[in-house]
Amino acid sequence: AQRVTQPEKLLSVFKGAPVELKCNYSYSGSPELFWYVQYSRQRLQLLLRHISRESIKGFTADLNKGETSFHLKKPFAQEEDSAMYYCALKTNAGKSTFGDGTTLTVKP
Amino acid sequence: GAGVSQSPSNKVTEKGKDVELRCDPISGHTALYWYRQSLGQGLEFLIYFQGNSAPDKSGLPSDRFSAERTGGSVSTLTIQRTQQEDSAVYLCASSLVGASNYGYTFGSGTRLTVV
Repeated sequence: AQRVTQPEKLLSVFKGAPVELKCNYSYSGSPELFWYVQYSRQRLQLLLRHISRESIKGFTADLNKGETSFHLKKPFAQEEDSAMYYCALKTNAGKSTFGDGTTLTVKP
Repeated sequence: GAGVSQSPSNKVTEKGKDVELRCDPISGHTALYWYRQSLGQGLEFLIYFQGNSAPDKSGLPSDRFSAERTGGSVSTLTIQRTQQEDSAVYLCASSLVGASNYGYTFGSGTRLTVV
């Protein structure tokens, strides 16, 4: 069975500091990894997917199959990055398993 | 519509009553998902529809929960004889194709409160 672990429930950094939100997974197949974000009073939305290897809002995430990780990083956090972040693993059957989420607070 | 639409946005019901939650996915999206989000917890998978295939119901917590998707579009999640532990935000999402690297587009959810 697949599993996604986000070890930090809460993460707090100062504006301008680097931020890394951790995500580890376990899955015997070839995973598709995603990060979703939920800003206050907004719906959950896709932030980025590992397959596209893109930077969205300054965030990047690299899939490390050796360490089974997909950590989300941003070199300089902004106050508007404060939100709940979910890591998700999509199996080849088509459904996703989500982590419990990390609440990021960026302090001024 | 442009996004995934869920109704009602809020529902307060008495314990023991039945409730129906509706999801209208993005037109053309063949995959539709229901998840449950409880306070302080992650998203719990409930059920997954892909095209005309039999749905994956492996996440439904009990036989009080059921869902259907009519005509490959609108879906209804029904909870019978609601209990207080059913209180949560019920999220619907759709995706262009299920078994792919497409992400989900979520609705704004239905907040269910069982009193």
